[in-house]
Amino acid sequence: KQEVTQIPAALSVPEGENLVLNCSFTDSAIYNLQWFRQDPGKGLTSLLLIQSSQREQTSGRLNASLDKSSGRSTLYIAASQPGDSATYLCAVTGTASKLTFGTGTRLQVTL
Amino acid sequence: DVKVTQSSRYLVKRTGEKVFLECVQDMDHENMFWYRQDPGLGLRLIYFSYDVKMKEKGDIPEGYSVSREKKERFSLILESASTNQTSMYLCASSPAGGSGANVLTFGAGSRLTVL
Repeated sequence: KQEVTQIPAALSVPEGENLVLNCSFTDSAIYNLQWFRQDPGKGLTSLLLIQSSQREQTSGRLNASLDKSSGRSTLYIAASQPGDSATYLCAVTGTASKLTFGTGTRLQVTL
Repeated sequence: DVKVTQSSRYLVKRTGEKVFLECVQDMDHENMFWYRQDPGLGLRLIYFSYDVKMKEKGDIPEGYSVSREKKERFSLILESASTNQTSMYLCASSPAGGSGANVLTFGAGSRLTVL
């Protein structure tokens, strides 16, 4: 059974810092990996999707990498801003197109 | 602006009540999903549907049923609500194939409290 772990569970950084969020998964037989953002009390917004054949994807200040063989992904956020404060979740797609989610990293960017 | 709409943002129900959570998407997506989200447990898949009148059990279907009579609408039903079903419920949809098949669009969520 696929398990997805995100460490740390919570992170607080001052504005302007670059930061890395980590995601690991136990079964490397995945089709893709996604990173989502969730604001308090809201649904999830898809940020980046990395196909299993890809190594990384970039969108603005966000860069996500994937090392499928080692079961790891990172989300790099450059020059963090208070508006980046949210919970970030990763999810992997396995057989039958089922997504397995991590429990998320709650990020707070302080002024 | 395309979206997934969950009609009820907050509900409070009593144990034993029948509860309907409605989800409508306007993107003509074939796939629709119901998740519940609990602290420390993340999102867990309850049921999903790949087509009208079609449904598949997810990881935690016990105590739930679903209905998909129209392509755009996917309903989650709690036949007899219990306190352990107090949770945030999230609906999502995605297109059938291609690179977008697993790019889910989520609704804002329905927070259900069962007393």
